[in-house]
Amino acid sequence: QLQLQESGPGLVKPSETLSLTCTVSGGSISSSSYYWGWIRQPPGKGLEWIGSIYYSGSTYYNPSLKSRVTISVDTSKNQFSLKLSSVTAADTAVYYCARHDRDATGLNWFDPWGQGTLVTVSS
Amino acid sequence: QSVLTQPPSVSAAPGQKVTISCSGSSSNIGNNYVSWYQQLPGTAPKLLIYDNNKRPSGIPDRFSGSKSGTSATLGITGLQTGDEADYYCGTWDSSLSAHVVFGGGTKLTVL
Repeated sequence: QLQLQESGPGLVKPSETLSLTCTVSGGSISSSSYYWGWIRQPPGKGLEWIGSIYYSGSTYYNPSLKSRVTISVDTSKNQFSLKLSSVTAADTAVYYCARHDRDATGLNWFDPWGQGTLVTVSS
Repeated sequence: QSVLTQPPSVSAAPGQKVTISCSGSSSNIGNNYVSWYQQLPGTAPKLLIYDNNKRPSGIPDRFSGSKSGTSATLGITGLQTGDEADYYCGTWDSSLSAHVVFGGGTKLTVL
């Protein structure tokens, strides 16, 4: 059974870089059928896609966050990571990682999701 | 403001049926698959419907999905109190800057 687990600091100072890692267990991150994505949810608000990465390193990013986001993959550790720079209070959210289905038309559904980790941006 | 438009809330009595709409455009829903997610309070979203109308293993057939043009609909029959949750639609937007878009979410209340 595939499982994903987010890890990283729960508190980040304004203007600094948020760094999170997602560890995949029960399956290989090198599967040709999937990308691996990051999604966030500010408290009391809806879902916002951050970006997704293929095991080869190919990425798609949310245009509104692209200038601040870097997603990388480490196939040897079965992990992928998120870096979000120059954070502000608006970046406070629960951050989820998830497997992201792909086909010839594009990227589709997310399943399964990690349990999520709350990251608070505050001094 | 979300690219996909969902009603903020819907409600119905136990045992009844409810539908949740998701409206988009030709660059997203009109030309790509739609998925739906259920988020129970305090938990991570869970995939409910994928490829417009397919249910993952373990999802009861009380949940259904459909798509017509640039809109999609989630249907839930035989409502149960355990169905109270937030529901989100999502899809790929194949515009110049291809990206994922979600609806703003719909809070379902089972009265």
